[in-house]
Amino acid sequence: KNQVEQSPQSLIILEGKNCTLQCNYTVSPFSNLRWYKQDTGRGPVSLTIMTFSENTKSNGRYTATLDADTKQSSLHITASQLSDSASYICVVSDGGSQGNLIFGKGTKLSVKP
Amino acid sequence: DVKVTQSSRYLVKRTGEKVFLECVQDMDHENMFWYRQDPGLGLRLIYFSYDVKMKEKGDIPEGYSVSREKKERFSLILESASTNQTSMYLCASSPGGAWKTQYFGPGTRLLVL
Repeated sequence: KNQVEQSPQSLIILEGKNCTLQCNYTVSPFSNLRWYKQDTGRGPVSLTIMTFSENTKSNGRYTATLDADTKQSSLHITASQLSDSASYICVVSDGGSQGNLIFGKGTKLSVKP
Repeated sequence: DVKVTQSSRYLVKRTGEKVFLECVQDMDHENMFWYRQDPGLGLRLIYFSYDVKMKEKGDIPEGYSVSREKKERFSLILESASTNQTSMYLCASSPGGAWKTQYFGPGTRLLVL
């Protein structure tokens, strides 16, 4: 069964610190992997999208990595800010119709001053 | 910027009422989606549409129907609202192709009493 598992479920860090969020998937075939940021009460916003051949992609202080062999991805946040407090959702596509997106349940990050 | 708007941010309805949730996108996207998001369950796809008057069931279509009469508008209908349909409803749109990022609306938080 296609699944996307994220860890940790929640995380609290101090402002200025780095953190890494994990995403493991069992989706097959694999097309691409996306990370979304969702602020409380808002819709998700895309951070990165990575294909099979990409192993790193950055978007400002956000860096996503992908290991297609082990089916793992991580999202690293550098020098965290209070505005990074949000849920981060990992989404994997199997390349089928647009409906074939498998969503993780998200990691809730809280950045404290 | 892509803009996806939803007709209401908050909605309170009574059991048995017919509920309409409207979504409009302004980027001429072919694909539109309706999700619900519940704590601990992540986003789950209800229906999607890849063209005007076309619709496909997602993972949890029971109790819902949709309408896409115009390309920019995708409506979600709860024929007879029930308390277990209390949730956050998110609309999204994307250009054609599995590669393309989905753009989400701000969400509608529906409470069914």
